[in-house]
Amino acid sequence: GAVVSQHPSWVICKSGTSVKIECRSLDFQATTMFWYRQFPKQSLMLMATSNEGSKATYEQGVEKDKFLINHASLTLSTLTVTSAHPEDSSFYICSARVLTGHQPQHFGDGTRLSIL
Amino acid sequence: GQQLNQSPQSMFIQEGEDVSMNCTSSSIFNTWLWYKQEPGEGPVLLIALYKAGELTSNGRLTAQFGITRKDSFLNISASIPSDVGIYFCAGRPNGNTPLVFGKGTRLSVIA
Repeated sequence: GAVVSQHPSWVICKSGTSVKIECRSLDFQATTMFWYRQFPKQSLMLMATSNEGSKATYEQGVEKDKFLINHASLTLSTLTVTSAHPEDSSFYICSARVLTGHQPQHFGDGTRLSIL
Repeated sequence: GQQLNQSPQSMFIQEGEDVSMNCTSSSIFNTWLWYKQEPGEGPVLLIALYKAGELTSNGRLTAQFGITRKDSFLNISASIPSDVGIYFCAGRPNGNTPLVFGKGTRLSVIA
């Protein structure tokens, strides 16, 4: 079935560092990719939606300059957390789908980001 | 924004018992999806529903898209220890909108 690959799975870095997370759709072309954030014991919170070749649409309260999203191809989207601080520590999950027809949304395995 | 009410929040059941959980919405959805998430991993799609009244099975799992298009349920029959995890419902109001997630049902199975 459809597979979404996310890398890295785990990052620990110092405060002030910028961190890039990659999301790839391995066996389908994803016209739309989504980035979610999940805190412990909570549901997934949508951060932004990105469509290939266009600017991402950010949810209310998500800083676009803080969380840079690039969706340069139909199989790759990246999320860069710029100048990360401890409060940015979280579990980040990407998701991808094809917009045409009844296509479900598949998720990557997530990236656990820990900022010291 | 739109919200899904998912219940129950958590369940502790004996191995072999059947499980039922559901989601309701105040507005109409045209897609319902059920996912399972285990610790440290992303959600894994269990069942996708696209038509009101649709009843779909995946092994011991059965889910239905409510006739009113405002609810869905997931049943797990004869639970086993590996069913442990958090189950999320998710819905989409129309084809191009992002998924809305429920808050999840945490399932614990006692052997």
